[in-house]
Amino acid sequence: NAGVTQTPKFQVLKTGQSMTLQCAQDMNHNSMYWYRQDPGMGLRLIYYSASEGTTDKGEVPNGYNVSRLNKREFSLRLESAAPSQTSVYFCASSTQWNQPQHFGDGTRLSIL
Amino acid sequence: QQQVKQSPQSLIVQKGGISIINCAYENTAFDYFPWYQQFPGKGPALLIAIRPDVSEKKEGRFTISFNKSAKQFSLHIMDSQPGDSATYFCAASAKGGSEKLVFGKGTKLTVNP
Repeated sequence: NAGVTQTPKFQVLKTGQSMTLQCAQDMNHNSMYWYRQDPGMGLRLIYYSASEGTTDKGEVPNGYNVSRLNKREFSLRLESAAPSQTSVYFCASSTQWNQPQHFGDGTRLSIL
Repeated sequence: QQQVKQSPQSLIVQKGGISIINCAYENTAFDYFPWYQQFPGKGPALLIAIRPDVSEKKEGRFTISFNKSAKQFSLHIMDSQPGDSATYFCAASAKGGSEKLVFGKGTKLTVNP
């Protein structure tokens, strides 16, 4: 069982470069989420998609865009990377709000 | 505004001891309270969850205690083991279309052998 798969696992970017983080789930979940995790800050929601075809901003959306490509895939794009976006990014999915969220193992992103 | 406050930030206990992590919230619309466990290099994984219609839920050595009037909930790990060493996050979410989990800032637990 793959669960939630994130690619890449590691990435180093230069300031101003763009990149897309990929996420796919094979559990037929309706909802998908992108979080960032920084030391001492817990998990902060960037964007989420309650169902295929919808996306909404979370707590820290500035500098990011998302695409819910289909029910399985939810991508996160950094258009012009900044050092403040150095973080570990987690994708998660769930059937609905009061059901467990299943997380991928993260993408460790460094921006120089 | 931090909607879920978690304490302590770090906790060291001896093997066999009891680990207690506390969380407090303000939003009375919260209706689902999960705890997640995260090991280094891995994503968080659901440990145990509670809904406000019960005051306690136990799964093996892990127990959630919930106090609705005080707007507090806590995780108790009985007979703590070195393998329990991880970061623990409490979280909460509210029904009503928001679909969002709000996480505490985490507690790093170290269980010494």
